[in-house]
This record gives sequence, structure tokens and C-alpha cells, in this order.
Amino acid sequence: SQTIHQWPATLVQPVGSPLSLECTVEGTSNPNLYWYRQAAGRGLQLLFYSIGIDQISSEVPQNLSASRPQDRQFILSSKKLLLSDSGFYLCAWSVGRDETQYFGPGTRLLVL
Amino acid sequence: DAKTTQPPSMDCAEGRAANLPCNHSTISGNEYVYWYRQIHSQGPQYIIHGLKNNETNEMASLIITEDRKSSTLILPHATLRDTAVYYCIVRGSLNNAGNMLTFGGGTRLMVKP
Repeated sequence: SQTIHQWPATLVQPVGSPLSLECTVEGTSNPNLYWYRQAAGRGLQLLFYSIGIDQISSEVPQNLSASRPQDRQFILSSKKLLLSDSGFYLCAWSVGRDETQYFGPGTRLLVL
Repeated sequence: DAKTTQPPSMDCAEGRAANLPCNHSTISGNEYVYWYRQIHSQGPQYIIHGLKNNETNEMASLIITEDRKSSTLILPHATLRDTAVYYCIVRGSLNNAGNMLTFGGGTRLMVKP
């Protein structure tokens, strides 16, 4: 069966520091991968999605970036964090024509 | 993308059926209705999806009106563990780079003893 992992689970970072969040999927090949952010008490906002290695599409312009160095690895990064980057970051995957997206456990980021 | 409208909150007694409504009056003919739920501090959990026909799985039933402008998610015997925010989503249409889900505010379901 497929599983999705995210780490770290929680992170507290100072403003201006770099960020690297990792997501990996097991048990499937060529998944579509997604990064979402959820601000406190709000719905999810799609940040990036990828249909293959090194193929990244950005949905919202911001100081975040994403990379996909391997088929089942998706990384969310920032060179300098802002206070507004605080939130709950979720990675998700889907396969082929099946549109169902399955979410990971999330990373809670607090920027101080 | 088509948008959805859901009541912000609902209560349900434990053991009773929970019926969560969703309006999606601008849905396109090839767009699916998806339901997810999110328990506090966890990632969203897929529940069910459908296009035109009613659907049922081990978690819930999905009733879609004939004109497809609204739907209802039914949890037949709600338990305390079903307390969560339930999101009704109309899937964005495919493009060359993938598909996306647009999450709104959802309905906060509180199951009470």
C-alpha cells in the first residue's frame, strides 16, 4: 500500500532563516505531488504541484520554492522565512487519471 | 474552478446520521464532487467522491442531486471520532500540468454524546 511521509512534524524558525521541508511517497511510481499551506483556521491553499522529476508548477508567487530531485521526493524550501510563512504545510499525492489526492500528516511551521 | 458553499458548523448526536450539505451550482459537466475531512492537527483524509450517481463506501454515502448543483454527505452512524471539519470540493479541471483541489472553509461537524 502507498504511504506518504513528511518531516519534520513541527518546526520553529526565526524570521530570515532558511527552510527545507521534505515529503516522500512509498508504494507508487510517477505520482503527481502537491504542496499546500493551511493558515490557522482557514482552508488549504495550493502552493506547488509536480507531474514529474524537475517539473514544478507554482500556483502562488511568494518566497517559497519547490523541487523534485527524485520521482517520489518533493521538497519545499525558502531562503529567508517571513512571519507570514507560518502555517500547516501539507504534501499530497495522486496517480494518473485517478484524481483522488491523499495527504500526508503535515508539518506545522511557526516563524518567530 | 467551480466554488462550493457549506454551512460553517453542524452538530450531530452520537449514533445518529450526520447529513452534511454542499452547494455547487456552477459545477461543470465533467467535474467531480470530492469530500475530505480534517481532524484537528492532522492532514485531510479522503472520504468519497462522485460525478453523477450516488456513491457509498465504508465511510460514508454521497448523494448528488440530478441537476448536480448540490450534494449531501451522509455519515450513517456518527461517532465522536467523526468530529472534524468536512470539506466539499469540486475538482479543478485537468490541464497539462496536473489537477488541483480548491479547499474552502468547510463544515465543522461536532458529534456530541
